[in-house]
Amino acid sequence: KNEVEQSPQNLTAQEGEFITINCSYSVGISALHWLQQHPGGGIVSLFMLSSGKKKHGRLIATINIQEKHSSLHITASHPRDSAVYICAVSDFGNEKLTFGTGTRLTIIP
Amino acid sequence: DAGVIQSPRHEVTEMGQEVTLRCKPISGHDYLFWYRQTMMRGLELLIYFNNNVPIDDSGMPEDRFSAKMPNASFSTLKIQPSEPRDSAVYFCASSLTPHSGLNEQFFGPGTRLTVL
Repeated sequence: KNEVEQSPQNLTAQEGEFITINCSYSVGISALHWLQQHPGGGIVSLFMLSSGKKKHGRLIATINIQEKHSSLHITASHPRDSAVYICAVSDFGNEKLTFGTGTRLTIIP
Repeated sequence: DAGVIQSPRHEVTEMGQEVTLRCKPISGHDYLFWYRQTMMRGLELLIYFNNNVPIDDSGMPEDRFSAKMPNASFSTLKIQPSEPRDSAVYFCASSLTPHSGLNEQFFGPGTRLTVL
């Protein structure tokens, strides 16, 4: 079974700061997902990647397959980015996701 | 599209009662997932379906839990009898068949279940 670890568990930063959230996993995967869960509870898929880097607005996700590690970056952070960010992985030949415990991000104005 | 629809949004029941959670996936999606989220264990997959057929139910905690997908537009998760430790938020998600190994999952708003 894949073990997924995220760091840090909690992160508080000032508006405008560059944010990095890390995710590591133990076994080779077919894809890695970054999800965002807002205080209201809804979950939104941010990125899904199997190699390299993806960018969407101020968000950037990278993955290093050899090191079994992914990072989620937020540039020019804003209070509306405050949420829980969850990393999840899917194994080869299987659509089930294994989740990390999440990183609670708070951006202070 | 309205997205994944779940009902009810909140459910409060007493221990021993039967609970039925409902999900309508996005039209055209052929995968459906049921997840449970608790403070202690985070998000966990309970079961998932492909083309209405259960593929992996290894996450279903015990025989008190059952899930069905009678057609492509409807699924239920039933707990009978319910226990206080079943209190959690239950999410349903759907996706298309993976392309190049990638499939984005779309989550419903969740059902917050409280068992007294």
